[in-house]
Amino acid sequence: EPEVTQTPSHQVTQMGQEVILRCVPISNHLYFYWYRQILGQKVEFLVSFYNNEISEKSEIFDDQFSVERPDGSNFTLKIRSTKLEDSAMYFCASSDYGTGTNTEAFFGQGTRLTVV
Amino acid sequence: DQQVKQNSPSLSVQEGRISILNCDYTNSMFDYFLWYKKYPAEGPTFLISISSIKDKNEDGRFTVFLNKSAKHLSLHIVPSQPGDSAVYFCAARNTGNQFYFGTGTSLTVIP
Repeated sequence: EPEVTQTPSHQVTQMGQEVILRCVPISNHLYFYWYRQILGQKVEFLVSFYNNEISEKSEIFDDQFSVERPDGSNFTLKIRSTKLEDSAMYFCASSDYGTGTNTEAFFGQGTRLTVV
Repeated sequence: DQQVKQNSPSLSVQEGRISILNCDYTNSMFDYFLWYKKYPAEGPTFLISISSIKDKNEDGRFTVFLNKSAKHLSLHIVPSQPGDSAVYFCAARNTGNQFYFGTGTSLTVIP
């Protein structure tokens, strides 16, 4: 069964450092997403990506964040200068959406980012 | 602005009984609703969904009900099993294919 894969599973970084979280979405999917879940809190939408551009982003997704699909298979989330409050579980998801088709978003296992 | 709300953070049910998880939403433009199940340290996994044109969808022990006039949906699990213990997230999709999640309900099924 196809799945979304994320690497690394756990990333520890010092405050102020740049991190890149990597995701390989399901190959025929068209929409890609990043979500995060701070420990004990809700799953929060960060950004969605379609047709090689951001289609929607939340207030959380400020100038410190960027996304990229560099090679047609990977989908990355970059945080330029990490803050302590960026510590969270980051989930990548992908979905396929066509007219008249109802389909779910498939999630990866997540990357736990710890900023120290 | 929390467009999808799950007002019960936790629920405990005896094994074999029915579990009912509730979800409310505010955006009438949502066209598709989903329930995800999440175990600790794992990503959410899709469980069941319903289109906005339906009011019920059943899959084995899981049934989702949609009340559009009340902007309310619920997930029924019957009979509940200990392996059902997890956090359940309600989600809604808008016409732009964005998914919005509730805060989750932690279900504990007591053997």
